[in-house]
Amino acid sequence: QAVLTQPSSLSASPGASASLTCTLRSGINVGTYRIYWYQQKPGSPPQYLLRYKSDSDKQQGSGVPSRFSGSKDASANAGILLISGLQSEDEADYYCMIWHSSASVFGGGTKLTVL
Amino acid sequence: EVQLVESGGGLVQPGRSLRLSCTASGFTFGDYAMSWVRQAPGKGLEWVGFIRSKAYGGTTEYAASVKGRFTISRDDSKSIAYLQMNSLKTEDTAVYYCTRAVANDYWGQGTLVTVSS
Repeated sequence: QAVLTQPSSLSASPGASASLTCTLRSGINVGTYRIYWYQQKPGSPPQYLLRYKSDSDKQQGSGVPSRFSGSKDASANAGILLISGLQSEDEADYYCMIWHSSASVFGGGTKLTVL
Repeated sequence: EVQLVESGGGLVQPGRSLRLSCTASGFTFGDYAMSWVRQAPGKGLEWVGFIRSKAYGGTTEYAASVKGRFTISRDDSKSIAYLQMNSLKTEDTAVYYCTRAVANDYWGQGTLVTVSS
């Protein structure tokens, strides 16, 4: 079982909100990790969006709009990237990442389609 | 402005070696750990390894897929991180990015490494 699992795709309408999940493997407690989120558009390197561990331990990437935010669902053992007021430019691949046992681990990525 | 520029990619035969460089500017390079992340064509992101700053011993960690074949080093006087890749395999074909760790908050544009006979 992968350390981080993301749904492969998600669709949402312009102006709506999209909730992208990053589920941690059983036995790895989401509460103890900072979860990092990245956005990648075709032909470009990934861009750092934000980091979220708790409301008192979070960081927004430089220049990243506030409509991108992080949270957690402890019951699902998952990190969440919430994008509100979806715009066509938000169509991209989104990756989550944690540091686990001195190694960086990426999720498989979610392709977000805005239509 | 933080900038990371990778170089050294290209076409190489299986079993051969290649060294990538990542030249940094816009921040105090020696204060940060640096990571390498790769992305095979049409695939997701895969962490390759990282090197801590000298303040944390300058030690390295690697993904299991490259451990024993790849080596990361740094020259703080030149603000350059290196990725030495030996015994290359076809499955190492990817775009290789250097990033500013721990958050990977800055990425280079990447350099393509193609391993093929």
